[in-house]
Amino acid sequence: GEDVEQSLFLSVREGDSSVINCTYTDSSSTYLYWYKQEPGAGLQLLTYIFSNMDMKQDQRLTVLLNKKDKHLSLRIADTQTGDSAIYFCAENSNYQLIWGAGTKLIIKP
Amino acid sequence: KAGVTQTPRYLIKTRGQQVTLSCSPISGHRSVSWYQQTPGQGLQFLFEYFSETQRNKGNFPGRFSGRQFSNSRSEMNVSTLELGDSALYLCASTTQGGSYNEQFFGPGTRLTVL
Repeated sequence: GEDVEQSLFLSVREGDSSVINCTYTDSSSTYLYWYKQEPGAGLQLLTYIFSNMDMKQDQRLTVLLNKKDKHLSLRIADTQTGDSAIYFCAENSNYQLIWGAGTKLIIKP
Repeated sequence: KAGVTQTPRYLIKTRGQQVTLSCSPISGHRSVSWYQQTPGQGLQFLFEYFSETQRNKGNFPGRFSGRQFSNSRSEMNVSTLELGDSALYLCASTTQGGSYNEQFFGPGTRLTVL
């Protein structure tokens, strides 16, 4: 069945890189997404990657996709306090998004 | 362009009551999806509407229903509320839906069932 898994917490020091990992199971997904949710706010699309790509870079964000292992990662370079949020990995399937549980990114000063 | 709006933002109901939540998509968007977010279950898909037709439905009981109007605005209804229905209900709109169209989310309606 479809399932998206990610670890629940990640703690990094300000200025370091953060790497959030995700595994998915639906090999037919054409797009994979990373969303950010800040406290009291809705979900904001950070970036996405098409399934025929291996990597996508957008300023401080780098997405890596390993289709063979169904593994997706999001790297945030030079992590700032404003990056504190919950990050969700999601895959599309039949007009809906299948979500991971979300990884809470904690920034240490 | 105005974003996705959801009303009300907060709602408190008691068990057994029913509730209607409203979502106004971004102008020009024809697809509206609804999600339930809870600490225990995370984000779960409820249903998706496009041009007033439900195209997909998640695994929720029949107490959860929705509809979409000709102006693309959507409502969802929950009847006979249970304590477990307490959640943040998120609405998202996109131009057509399908494999890639960015979904824009509203701020959500926080429903508390007492």
